[in-house]
Amino acid sequence: AQTVTQSQPEMSVQEAETVTLSCTYDTSESDYYLFWYKQPPSRQMILVIRQEAYKQQNATENRFSVNFQKAAKSFSLKISDSQLGDAAMYFCAYRRVGNTPLVFGKGTRLSVIA
Amino acid sequence: DTGVSQDPRHKITKRGQNVTFRCDPISEHNRLYWYRQTLGQGPEFLTYFQNEAQLEKSRLLSDRFSAERPKGSFSTLEIQRTEQGDSAMYLCASSPLDGRSTYEQYFGPGTRLTVT
Repeated sequence: AQTVTQSQPEMSVQEAETVTLSCTYDTSESDYYLFWYKQPPSRQMILVIRQEAYKQQNATENRFSVNFQKAAKSFSLKISDSQLGDAAMYFCAYRRVGNTPLVFGKGTRLSVIA
Repeated sequence: DTGVSQDPRHKITKRGQNVTFRCDPISEHNRLYWYRQTLGQGPEFLTYFQNEAQLEKSRLLSDRFSAERPKGSFSTLEIQRTEQGDSAMYLCASSPLDGRSTYEQYFGPGTRLTVT
């Protein structure tokens, strides 16, 4: 079975600084998808960024980028120029090809300090 | 399009009672997923549908849990004889179906269940 591990329960960052959230996963599949979801307090989960395993290029969405290391099964999220609105729980998630259910990590709570 | 909606947003019930939650997915989304999220944990998969067919159920989904999507639109999740361990946030998500499966899952706000 696939598993996703987030080893940082909590992180904090100063406003305008850069922070990196870690994620590792375990799978025997060669093709799959990886995601970072953001869950603000008392609000619904939204997708931050996705990475297709067959693509070597790291995904980027504005201030958010990933470092995808397929051989190491590592998928970290970098947030640049952190803003107060970035404060939330961040979940790393894995999905097999086929629009199947997501497998989530336990999450990292990010605090942004003004 | 108003996104995925769930009703109720909060439910408090006494142990042993039955509860039912509803999820309305984004219109024309073929796939609908139910997840459960307990405090301090990531969401865990419960079950999912493609149109009205229930394709997979997690081992987490005991016999007390049942889910339906009768006309391939909204879905209900019923928990019978609730237990305190059922206290959690129940999340619904939907997505379109395509061959490459590139679409994301869109989440609803969740139903927070408290069993006293």
